[in-house]
Amino acid sequence: KAGVTQTPRYLIKTRGQQVTLSCSPISGHRSVSWYQQTPGQGLQFLFEYFSETQRNKGNFPGRFSGRQFSNSRSEMNVSTLELGDSALYLCASRTLTGGTDEQYFGPGTRLTVT
Amino acid sequence: QKEVEQDPGPLSVPEGAIVSLNCTYSNSAFQYFMWYRQYSRKGPELLMYTYSSGNKEDGRFTAQVDKSSKYISLFIRDSQPSDSATYLCARGGGGYQKVTFGIGTKLQVIP
Repeated sequence: KAGVTQTPRYLIKTRGQQVTLSCSPISGHRSVSWYQQTPGQGLQFLFEYFSETQRNKGNFPGRFSGRQFSNSRSEMNVSTLELGDSALYLCASRTLTGGTDEQYFGPGTRLTVT
Repeated sequence: QKEVEQDPGPLSVPEGAIVSLNCTYSNSAFQYFMWYRQYSRKGPELLMYTYSSGNKEDGRFTAQVDKSSKYISLFIRDSQPSDSATYLCARGGGGYQKVTFGIGTKLQVIP
């Protein structure tokens, strides 16, 4: 079974621009979460989607948004990029069936804002 | 108080040592616990998954949950330099609760 895939893997943007990151979950997983990871900050939760509905949200400004499609694929958008948005953005898909709760990560998209 | 507390380390051990990594959690309602390994500049990899209390073993790795003290541990036997990574503990709530992570412990195994 294929794992979580994320595109693109690397991205360089300029301040003020916007960016869209894409994530395809493991087949059959309906939950997709997004995290931001920076050195020393750990994993910061952005949001989680389940069956196209956002059901959990972290403490990030409205510049960060996401959506999930009917095939469970998800996109994350960051508008008006700031230097501090430079980070590894991780997508994770989660089993929530059969009495289990396991979350699997993709390789991440490394975003650099200049 | 953070939901999941984890000492960031770093932790340095000689090759072949037994490593003990620990986390505490604050909400006893949660029953699913995970350990991840993350190499530098890579996504976290799910190592171990446990439910409820007790031990779970997989090769050189043992995950332990003590619900009475809200303590979760990962033991690595015969540690290898390839085990050098950051280890993150996490708890899942099932249902509609998001997964919550510790900050991660950086481990270095010295040859």
